[in-house]
Amino acid sequence: DIQMTQSPSSLSASVGDRVTVTCRASQNINNYLNWYQQKPGKAPKLLIYAGSDLQTGVPSRFSGSGSGTDFTLTLSSLQPEDFATYFCQQSYTMPWTFGQGTKVEIK
Amino acid sequence: QVPLQESGPGLVKPSETLSLTCTVSGGSISDYYWSWIRQPAGKGLEWIGRIDTSGRTNYNPSLKSRVTMSIDTSKRQFSLKLRSVTAADTAVYYCARETDYSNYDWFDPWGQGALVTVSS
Repeated sequence: DIQMTQSPSSLSASVGDRVTVTCRASQNINNYLNWYQQKPGKAPKLLIYAGSDLQTGVPSRFSGSGSGTDFTLTLSSLQPEDFATYFCQQSYTMPWTFGQGTKVEIK
Repeated sequence: QVPLQESGPGLVKPSETLSLTCTVSGGSISDYYWSWIRQPAGKGLEWIGRIDTSGRTNYNPSLKSRVTMSIDTSKRQFSLKLRSVTAADTAVYYCARETDYSNYDWFDPWGQGALVTVSS
């Protein structure tokens, strides 16, 4: 299985901050990488697919980049509703696997 | 919108079979895969497997020996059975639509999730 490792596991930030979450794959996955946001007690929500394509309806302050083994999710200006846990997921080869999550908390 | 809703028992005894159904309320059920994903409390996400409207399945090898998925397109439902459960199978179980577009796959939308506890 392809292992997905996210860093950091958690971070504290303030409204308006630029935030970066990193995801590393254990092997080359080209750009077969998706990002999800999960709020407490809720299902994950798709933010970005194919490495950098923004899902319809997702604010443009979210962006994804990377290829190969290293990927980044960036929030350009953190908003109150962005405090949540973020997961990456590879779709290069089955079984699909997820990162362990990065919790973005209020500083 | 394509609301998905999981249903099934919230409590299953050890060694028995966990059974869940996901009902797809809107949109096309064809041309997609339909997946199950689970999340133990406070932990990450694990893909269980998927089924298409032809009944073709792909399972996570870690669970393959215990999993069966099925689909009833006339009822717009797909189902999960997980046999011989233990406490380690306690989790929130999500159903999700999986899009495969030019070999890129992603999950959207997801159901709200169903908590299944394995306990005697």
